[in-house]
Formats: sequence, C-alpha cells, structure tokens
Amino acid sequence: DAGITQSPRYKITETGRQVTLMCHQTWSHSYMFWYRQDLGHGLRLIYYSAAADITDKGEVPDGYVVSRSKTENFPLTLESATRSQTSVYFCASSELTGGLKQPQHFGDGTRLSIL
Amino acid sequence: GNSVTQMEGPVTLSEEAFLTINCTYTATGYPSLFWYVQYPGEGLQLLLKATKADDKGSNKGFEATYRKETTSFHLEKGSVQVSDSAVYFCAGGDMNYGGSQGNLIFGKGTKLSVKP
Repeated sequence: DAGITQSPRYKITETGRQVTLMCHQTWSHSYMFWYRQDLGHGLRLIYYSAAADITDKGEVPDGYVVSRSKTENFPLTLESATRSQTSVYFCASSELTGGLKQPQHFGDGTRLSIL
Repeated sequence: GNSVTQMEGPVTLSEEAFLTINCTYTATGYPSLFWYVQYPGEGLQLLLKATKADDKGSNKGFEATYRKETTSFHLEKGSVQVSDSAVYFCAGGDMNYGGSQGNLIFGKGTKLSVKP
C-alpha cells in the first residue's frame, strides 16, 4: 500500500547503544523529515532532507545522524543513545508542487525507550 | 524566529458542545497554516489547511480562518462528537530551516476529550 512506514513501532535499548529507526515512503516525495514528540514540547524537527543525498539539521540535531541514499528511505541513527532521547519519533514526507508547499504526511511513529 | 502558540489543554467538552482551540503564529512573511489531528497511538493526520490570508480551511465539520490582522488560525467546530477526542496541533510553515523547503513548526498540541 502507498504510504509512509516506520519501523520498529516500539524499541527498548540501553544507554550507549546504537539504534537505527527506519522510514520508508512510497510516494516518491522529495522532502522527508524526522521529528521527536515529547510532552510539553510538541513536535520538534531533528533533521530534514530535500532530496537523495541532501540532508540538513533541524532544531534538535545533536546526538542523531541521518542519511538518504535513496529517495524512499530516510533512516535516523542514534549513535550512542542517552536517556534524554527517550521519545516518540515521527517521520514525515511532503512535496513541493507548483511552488506550493504540500502538507506533510506522517508515519505512525516509533516509541523509543532508553534505559 | 517563527513560532506557533496554541492554547494548552486538556479541553473537556460534552458531546454537541462548541469547540474553539486558539492558535496564533509569529512568522516572517505569511506562511501556510495547518491543523493536524493525532488519535491515540497514531501519527499526525492533516485536518485542514490555509495557504493565504482570509483563506478558510474546512474538513469533517472543523473550520479555521487565516486572519492576517490578528495572526491567528483558530480551530472551531459547532458540535463535537466523542470520536473527535484526540490531540490537535496547529502548525505553520517554518522559514528558519531550509527556507522554502516545506518545514513546519508546531504548537505544543491541545488534548481534547469529548464526553457522551
């Protein structure tokens, strides 16, 4: 089915471990985004990408790494997880059509707990 | 910088009551504005949008009008249902990150509970 898929849905890991969250979209949207959702903060942008091989930092990028070798995939890696990175992570994608920014489409999220 | 401020909840209403969730924005220029809804355990879904001043977005009985003079985009619904219980997020185009690349800045969300 067309859409945006995140995996895993739930993940528990330990401090200091590396963990990668996957995001895959089937629309061939140019733009992809990673957000984290925390109580009292709403959604905050971690990284975004305008196209394959083009990525840039958002509001809270420290401790995260992204890559985008293919248009449809945008994995997010926590190189050495910390407890402060316990959160719900959302991936989103969108397109720019005729100069207008189209709405972002969101995945169902990954709930990450770091012990 | 750009910011979006929305009323904090939680908001609890009885079925068929009138709903207003306030949202104001501070931005460079006049960004597109959106309302998203998040049901428990799910991602955000676009509820409605407005791309320029005086535009009215509407969907599923919800409405919001882009008011340039008050920099507001308040969400309204005349008669809420139990199924409207969710968290609602106001969002605006964010020019701080990537310029015109469609990034959004979100309010902190308002949790709505509708009782039968």
